[in-house]
Amino acid sequence: QKEVEQDPGPLSVPEGAIVSLNCTYSNSAFQYFMWYRQYSRKGPELLMYTYSSGNKEDGRFTAQVDKSSKYISLFIRDSQPSDSATYLCAGAEYSSASKIIFGSGTRLSIRP
Amino acid sequence: DVKVTQSSRYLVKRTGEKVFLECVQDMDHENMFWYRQDPGLGLRLIYFSYDVKMKEKGDIPEGYSVSREKKERFSLILESASTNQTSMYLCASSFGRNQPQHFGDGTRLSIL
Repeated sequence: QKEVEQDPGPLSVPEGAIVSLNCTYSNSAFQYFMWYRQYSRKGPELLMYTYSSGNKEDGRFTAQVDKSSKYISLFIRDSQPSDSATYLCAGAEYSSASKIIFGSGTRLSIRP
Repeated sequence: DVKVTQSSRYLVKRTGEKVFLECVQDMDHENMFWYRQDPGLGLRLIYFSYDVKMKEKGDIPEGYSVSREKKERFSLILESASTNQTSMYLCASSFGRNQPQHFGDGTRLSIL
């Protein structure tokens, strides 16, 4: 079993819809959680960085962590075609937060 | 903004060649990382470095070595390239523990 699991997709939604991307993880020692966005032929770009449980909002993006169920979510409001990309979730332990464990990514397509 | 620059976007080499991939970051980050990214397998950590001249093995170090002679530069070396090392290679850096990683745009390496 991978430490971080996410559905590979592809997920296709119409422009303007609310997108929900989800991950599960198995390592109960994870304290830091990240979402990265990766466009085709580019490197991953950090979107959200959260510590422990709870919500964090940044513009149209909201990251949610539920440590009791080991569940990580990213919500995108008012989705745009420019949001079409692969989204990677990741977790890290406090003691070695320089070493991040990534999910395989979910491919998202926003239809105009 | 953090800038992580990888020397080549695309590289084609032959089996048995010694291959050097270079990465430079401009934010005085302590930590640097090398990953490879393959479809369905996600990002896998090859080597990382917490300081100049220091290196630690990641999850898949076999067939690779690294060099960090200066803080801003981290090199990945394929001692004798093989076809199973054809992949996208991503370099990342972070300021310290508990800080997120920032990625370069990757080098797509093909070994023929």
